[in-house]
Amino acid sequence: QQQVKQSPQSLIVQKGGISIINCAYENTAFDYFPWYQQFPGKGPALLIAIRPDVSEKKEGRFTISFNKSAKQFSLHIMDSQPGDSATYFCAASKGQAGTALIFGKGTTLSVSS
Amino acid sequence: GAVVSQHPSWVICKSGTSVKIECRSLDFQATTMFWYRQFPKQSLMLMATSNEGSKATYEQGVEKDKFLINHASLTLSTLTVTSAHPEDSSFYICSARSGPSSGYTFGSGTRLTVV
Repeated sequence: QQQVKQSPQSLIVQKGGISIINCAYENTAFDYFPWYQQFPGKGPALLIAIRPDVSEKKEGRFTISFNKSAKQFSLHIMDSQPGDSATYFCAASKGQAGTALIFGKGTTLSVSS
Repeated sequence: GAVVSQHPSWVICKSGTSVKIECRSLDFQATTMFWYRQFPKQSLMLMATSNEGSKATYEQGVEKDKFLINHASLTLSTLTVTSAHPEDSSFYICSARSGPSSGYTFGSGTRLTVV
C-alpha cells in the first residue's frame, strides 16, 4: 500500500507560471510533511516543510497548503523559472525520532523558457 | 545548518566484490540514520534504519546479509554491499535527523555501478 500518493507524475509549466504538485496520505499518525527537490545525480534537498497545526506555509516562491481533514497537501511554486526544473518529492513521517520519511513517487517538473 | 557527508559519490566495482559507503553527520549527532535506494526515475525506497550502537532494522524485502549496516558512533554510519552483482547497481542515499523536532538531512548520494 502506497502511503503517500503524489500527482502528477510530470508537469510542464511556462516560465513565470505557477507549478502545483499534490500529495495525499493515509496514515493520520503522520505529523511532518516536507517537500524535497532533487537534481539528477544529487541527493534530495529540503525545500519547505509543514506540520498539521497550520494550513499554509510560505517561503519565498514556495508555498505548502495543508488540508488535514482531506489528508492532502500541495506544493505551489510561484513565478516558476527554468532553474526550478527538477524532480520534486513529497514525504511524510511520524513524530518519533527514529522514524524515517516515506516518499511519494515524485514529479518531474520542466519549466520552459 | 545540519550537514550530512556521504562518500564516495560514485564507485564502480567488479561483480562479487564488496563496497562500503560512508555517511557522516558533520555538525550534529545522529542517533538514527536512514539508508535509501533509488533507481533511475524512481522514488527513494527506504532500505533500513540504523541506530547508534545497535542492529539496523531492515525493511521487508531487503537482504540484511547483502546490505550490512554499521552505526558505530553518533556521527558515522556505513553501508556495505557484499558480493555485489549488477542488479545492485543503484543510487544509495543516507539521511539523518538531529532530533525528533528537526528535519531530515540527506547526503549527496553514492552511484554504485557493478560490472
